[in-house]
Formats: sequence, C-alpha cells, structure tokens
Amino acid sequence: EAQVTQNPRYLITVTGKKLTVTCSQNMNHEYMSWYRQDPGLGLRQIYYSMNVEVTDKGDVPEGYKVSRKEKRNFPLILESPSPNQTSLYFCASSAQGPYEQYFGPGTRLTVT
Amino acid sequence: QKEVEQNSGPLSVPEGAIASLNCTYSDRGSQSFFWYRQYSGKSPELIMSIYSNGDKEDGRFTAQLNKASQYVSLLIRDSQPSDSATYLCAVNGPSNTGKLIFGQGTTLQVKP
Repeated sequence: EAQVTQNPRYLITVTGKKLTVTCSQNMNHEYMSWYRQDPGLGLRQIYYSMNVEVTDKGDVPEGYKVSRKEKRNFPLILESPSPNQTSLYFCASSAQGPYEQYFGPGTRLTVT
Repeated sequence: QKEVEQNSGPLSVPEGAIASLNCTYSDRGSQSFFWYRQYSGKSPELIMSIYSNGDKEDGRFTAQLNKASQYVSLLIRDSQPSDSATYLCAVNGPSNTGKLIFGQGTTLQVKP
C-alpha cells in the first residue's frame, strides 16, 4: 500500500529536550515536505526537499532541522523544543515538486 | 495581505445544492493550484489540481482558475453530507521552488 508514515503519532515532551519525528514514504517520491497546522493559522510549510541531499526552508523554519540522506526518509528534528512548537505536524511527499502531495497521518506534539 | 486567502466559513448548504468555495492569491507568478479536503482529525487529501485558466471537472467537482483576477474556486455539485469538511486552497510559491502556500481553509457543512 502506497503511504506516508510518521512516528510517533503523539508526543508530549518538555522544553529543551531534543526530539525527532520520523517520516517515511514507500512511493519512490522525489519531493518531501513538513508542515505544521495551528488553529487560525492553517497549514504552514516548515522545510521541503526536492530530492536527496537537497533541502530548503519553507515559511516557518525557525527552531527546526531536517535531513534527507535517503529518498524515502525525511526526519524533522527539534533540537530544543519550546512551547510555541506545540502543534500538529504533517509530512507529505509527491513524485516531483510541490504538486499533488500525499500526506502522512500527522504527529500531535505538545511541549510543556 | 495574506498570500493565499479563503473565507473560513462555515459555509452551510443543503444536501443536493452546489457549494462554491473561493480562494484568492497574491503572487502573479504562481502556476499551480490545488484543492485539498481535510476531514476533522484527519490529514489533507488532494481532490483537484489546476494549472491553466478555465475549468477542470472531475466527477462532482469543478475547479476554476482565473489568473488575471488571481482567483481560484472549487464547485461541488449535488453536495452530500459526506462532503462536510474543511477545504484547503494551496498555491505553488515562487517559480522553480518547492514552496507550497496554503490558505486557512473553508469549513463546509452540508445539511441533510
């Protein structure tokens, strides 16, 4: 089954404790991206990757890091999480470019 | 001015009616336009993409694009209660980048 998977699905953590949210796709897609969704603010793009080893900032990259060492994986790293990073996070992928994306199930992160 | 604007709604229509969802965007260089549907508690899923001026039909859905007016819309004919969801308009960012900018979404309620 073609899918984008994210882990964990739910995470409660404390300020400053480094965490990683994994994202994996099995569709051999070139493009992957991370978004956060907040009430009243909609979906906002954090980082994207056009292909392996190529990543670039979206609209809200501050406080986040990403890496794309393999085509299928695109982890999101929060080096020192803060409460304002409490949000619902989505990973997405598409064959090429930011077109017709498939979204993962989401990761709900709470930072206390 | 927001880059991609939608009326947050809720838009309420009776079952069987036509629902009309609208979106405006600010970047005249945008080339790709998408409508995603998001059910409560679920991830967004692509329902329509449109790249050139005019109408594009897929079943009960019609996307309309007017680049001169910087306007894209989604019509849902014969609306069903199962169409009740939030509809997200997304616009490709500057040319040759991987940016995708979402509107805040319009909540549609179809009443039986």
